[in-house]
Amino acid sequence: GAVVSQHPSRVICKSGTSVKIECRSLDFQATTMFWYRQFPKKSLMLMATSNEGSKATYEQGVEKDKFLINHASLTLSTLTVTSAHPEDSSFYICSARDLRDRHFGNGTRLTVT
Amino acid sequence: GENVEQHPSTLSVQEGDSAVIKCTYSDSASNYFPWYKQELGKGPQLIIDIRSNVGEKKDQRIAVTLNKTAKHFSLHITETQPEDSAVYFCAAIYNQGGKLIFGQGTELSVKP
Repeated sequence: GAVVSQHPSRVICKSGTSVKIECRSLDFQATTMFWYRQFPKKSLMLMATSNEGSKATYEQGVEKDKFLINHASLTLSTLTVTSAHPEDSSFYICSARDLRDRHFGNGTRLTVT
Repeated sequence: GENVEQHPSTLSVQEGDSAVIKCTYSDSASNYFPWYKQELGKGPQLIIDIRSNVGEKKDQRIAVTLNKTAKHFSLHITETQPEDSAVYFCAAIYNQGGKLIFGQGTELSVKP
């Protein structure tokens, strides 16, 4: 079946630094990828929709200058958390859509100290 | 706006019993309703889905029903096993090919 690979699975960074998270569709091309954020014991909240070759569409309340999304190819989207702060600590999950279904990565646990 | 309500938030059953999780959605144009299972520290895994042109779908111990008039859909797990313990999310597509909106999640615990 379709596989979405997300890397890294865990990252710890210091406050003020930037962190990049990669999302790859391994055996299919994804013109659209989605980025979600999940707090402990909470649901997935859509942050942005990433379209290959164009600017991402951000959900209301999500700072586009803080959460930079790049979807430069049909198999790769990246989320960069810029100038990270402790409140950015969370579980970030990407999803890629093939012709029929949406497939999720295994998430990235970001801890900002 | 888009909204998916899911109940209950926690559910504890004995092994072998059935479990039912219910969701309602707000956008009558929604046409795709997947269910995901999320284990600790992992991403959601699709377990079953239903599209608006059918009322019920079954896959072994898992079934989903859809009532478009009432904007309700439900997940039914029969003969539950301890390995069914996880958080389950329902979801609905908000608009054509658009955003997937998740319910709040149900933490299912199956006691041996």
